[in-house]
Amino acid sequence: AQSVTQLDSQVPVFEEAPVELRCNYSSSVSVYLFWYVQYPNQGLQLLLKYLSGSTLVKGINGFEAEFNKSQTSFHLRKPSVHISDTAEYFCAVSDRGGGSNYKLTFGKGTLLTVNP
Amino acid sequence: EADIYQTPRYLVIGTGKKITLECSQTMGHDKMYWYQQDPGMELHLIHYSYGVNSTEKGDLSSESTVSRIRTEHFPLTLESARPSHTSQYLCASSEFGGLAADTQYFGPGTRLTVL
Repeated sequence: AQSVTQLDSQVPVFEEAPVELRCNYSSSVSVYLFWYVQYPNQGLQLLLKYLSGSTLVKGINGFEAEFNKSQTSFHLRKPSVHISDTAEYFCAVSDRGGGSNYKLTFGKGTLLTVNP
Repeated sequence: EADIYQTPRYLVIGTGKKITLECSQTMGHDKMYWYQQDPGMELHLIHYSYGVNSTEKGDLSSESTVSRIRTEHFPLTLESARPSHTSQYLCASSEFGGLAADTQYFGPGTRLTVL
C-alpha cells in the first residue's frame, strides 16, 4: 500500500520569499511522483512529475522538486513566490509496475497563501 | 490546455432527489475518473473507466453509479441524494491509455450540497 504525507497543511509566506512544500511518501514498490496545483474554484493541474533520470525536476510557473529516494521525499520549491501562486498543492504517487491498473494516491494538500 | 468540462459547477438539492453530474472531455482520452474531494482531505477515487462500456469502482465506496456510452462522456448519477453525499466531485481523464506515468487532466469540479 502507498501513502503520501504532506507535512504542512498551510504555509503562509510573503511575496518574493522562497517557499518549500514538503512531501514524504511510503511505498513498498518503485513509484512515479507528481505535484498538482489547484487554484480557487478550479480543478487540479499538473505542475511537474518525476518519472526517471535527474532527480531535480523543473515544472511550470518556476516550480521545481527534488526526488530523494533515501528519504522518500519529493519536496516542492520556488525561489520567489507571487501572489498568483496562492493555491492548494497536492503531492501524489503512482506504482511504476501498476500498468493500466495503477492507483494514483494523493496527499491531503498544502494551502500556500502568498501575502503582499 | 486540458479540455474537460463539468456541469453544473454548483448544485444545492434536497434529500431524496436524483441527480446526474456531467463530465465531458474533447481530448479523445480513453481512461476517465471520478474523485471525491472534501476540505483538508485526500482526493479519493470513486469510479474509473478504461473506455466505452467499461466502468470500475474505485477505492472509496460510493453510492453513486457511472456510465460510459461515449468516449467523451462520463456522467455520475446519485439515485437518491443524502446529506452525506455533500462534497466536491472532480472528473479527470488521462492520456496514453491511463498508465502509471500519465498526467491526469481535471475538470473544474461540481460542488454538491444536499440539504
